Amino acid sequence: DVKVTQSSRYLVKRTGEKVFLECVQDMDHENMFWYRQDPGLGLRLIYFSYDVKMKEKGDIPEGYSVSREKKERFSLILESASTNQTSMYLCASRSTGVSNQPQHFGDGTRLSIL
Amino acid sequence: DQQVKQNSPSLSVQEGRISILNCDYTNSMFDYFLWYKKYPAEGPTFLISISSIKDKNEDGRFTVFLNKSAKHLSLHIVPSQPGDSAVYFCAAYLYAGKSTFGDGTTLTVKP
Repeated sequence: DVKVTQSSRYLVKRTGEKVFLECVQDMDHENMFWYRQDPGLGLRLIYFSYDVKMKEKGDIPEGYSVSREKKERFSLILESASTNQTSMYLCASRSTGVSNQPQHFGDGTRLSIL
Repeated sequence: DQQVKQNSPSLSVQEGRISILNCDYTNSMFDYFLWYKKYPAEGPTFLISISSIKDKNEDGRFTVFLNKSAKHLSLHIVPSQPGDSAVYFCAAYLYAGKSTFGDGTTLTVKP
């Protein structure tokens, strides 16, 4: 079974802090994704990574950056946290071995920026 | 511009009846569609999918129908069970596994 682990379930940070959200997957998946989920807005893609050191902006990349130095780990960075980044953050991974594989999600990090 | 839309934020059905969740899309380049289910405090889990070259896919109690001319897909759950109560997301693939998700529909199945 695929396991996608997000380092924290709940996180509280202050405005202006640099925040790191970590995600690790154990299935050697090439693709990894970061989403945020807000009430009534579904899942919105922040960034995704095709493979190690490769990244592409999603639909809402402003205020975020990512890092993928190793295949199993994909980090989301809030450079200077703001209150409008309070949200549920979801990480996902996906294999490209067979076409149209679904994404596997972690359980999410609920981030509050005070 | 939202390319995948789930127009019903919520749906309530009686146990044993059929649940029908709907999804509309605007981009004819989407070639694969998926449904995910999400319980509170958990990440979404994959439920069922359909390729754009098919019009129906069935897996147990779950069936997905695709109407390409109408750019519409639907998820049918028969019979509905209380454990099916969750948020259901429709998603569409464009390329390299990049998905666009709908806003979700909260299904409540009453015993």
